Amino acid sequence: QLQLQESGPGLVKPSETLSLTCTVSGGSISSGSYYWGWIRQPPGKGLEWIGSIYYTGSTYYNPSLKSRVTISVDTSKNQFSLKLSSVTAADTAVYYCAGHKGDIAFDYWGQGTQVTVSS
Amino acid sequence: QSALTQPASVSGSPGQSITISCTGTSSDVGSFNLLSWYQQHPGKAPKLIIYEVSKRPSGVSNRFSGSKSGNTASLTISGLQAEDEADYYCCSYATGSTYVFGTGTKVTVL
Repeated sequence: QLQLQESGPGLVKPSETLSLTCTVSGGSISSGSYYWGWIRQPPGKGLEWIGSIYYTGSTYYNPSLKSRVTISVDTSKNQFSLKLSSVTAADTAVYYCAGHKGDIAFDYWGQGTQVTVSS
Repeated sequence: QSALTQPASVSGSPGQSITISCTGTSSDVGSFNLLSWYQQHPGKAPKLIIYEVSKRPSGVSNRFSGSKSGNTASLTISGLQAEDEADYYCCSYATGSTYVFGTGTKVTVL
């Protein structure tokens, strides 16, 4: 049973870069069975897919965020990471990491981490 | 890439059946059978309850069922129970190897 855990700063200043890491346990991130993604949820609002990565480094991004997003993977640490640049208050959200088997569905989710953008 | 359209709220009495719609376009729901549904209780992470339109993961109650016709998918909850009160989101794979979520539906058990 895969388990995912997000970590990173809970407060980021406007115009700076948001950085989060997701640690995967219970399986190898490089097994090839799963893609690894980031999803966010602003307060009181719905879910938004940010992007996904395969263990080989292939990435897929939401077109609306693509210019500001970088997702990377560190197979040696069984982790993948999110960087979102030039943040504004609109980027305040709970950020979830998730695993999805191919294109099918997001099977496994982290518990989520609150990130607030404020000076 | 616009969010899929769901009703903001749906309610029903215990034991009744309710259906939540999820409307997209020919670039997402209409083109792929990669439509999933998620249940989210307050303060919790979403939980996968339906994948590939109508399949249930192991452990998910058979009171949850899904279907699709054209650009619209549906989630039906039969035998509504108090524990079903939650937010529900659909999600579709879309052209360009992307994903789009629905706007979300709050289910209230009366």
